[in-house]
Amino acid sequence: GAVVSQHPSWVICKSGTSVKIECRSLDFQATTMFWYRQFPKQSLMLMATSNEGSKATYEQGVEKDKFLINHASLTLSTLTVTSAHPEDSSFYICSARARGRAAETQYFGPGTRLLVL
Amino acid sequence: GQSLEQPSEVTAVEGAIVQINCTYQTSGFYGLSWYQQHDGGAPTFLSYNALDGLEETGRFSSFLSRSDSYGYLLLQELQMKDSASYFCAVKNAGNMLTFGGGTRLMVKP
Repeated sequence: GAVVSQHPSWVICKSGTSVKIECRSLDFQATTMFWYRQFPKQSLMLMATSNEGSKATYEQGVEKDKFLINHASLTLSTLTVTSAHPEDSSFYICSARARGRAAETQYFGPGTRLLVL
Repeated sequence: GQSLEQPSEVTAVEGAIVQINCTYQTSGFYGLSWYQQHDGGAPTFLSYNALDGLEETGRFSSFLSRSDSYGYLLLQELQMKDSASYFCAVKNAGNMLTFGGGTRLMVKP
């Protein structure tokens, strides 16, 4: 099946620093990538949707200046958490969908666990 | 808006059958998906129902009733490795998914 990777898998950083998370589709071209945030024992909350070559669409309540998303190629999207604070500590999961494919066929990355001290 | 309700926790014994229900309220419904997520891992796709009825895939089956805005995931011959969180998700007109809160399944010996 399709493979999506995320890097890094774990990040521990000091409050105020910026953290970049990469999401790559390894064996298909992902025209759309999604970024989710998941707190312990809670659901996946969609943060934003990015289409290759265009600006990301953010969900209500998600600060676009804090969570910078770049989808520069068909295989790579990045999420940068700027000036991270302890409340940004969470599990960040990306998913990728190929052109013309249905929503349920999006493939999830293994997630990045962010801990801000 | 969209909302999905599913039980927060279910416990069952090895070898048993368990049903995880999901009710939804949504504007624009195209189908119901189910995902499995082990602790610290990525969600993995289990099934998708666009039409009413039961879809069977090995030990797992998924059911949908569009008129009742209701679906369920049925897991048979439970194994310890089935202990995980299970999420239902609705696909809307924008080809996007909205996830339920998840059901934590604990399988005991």
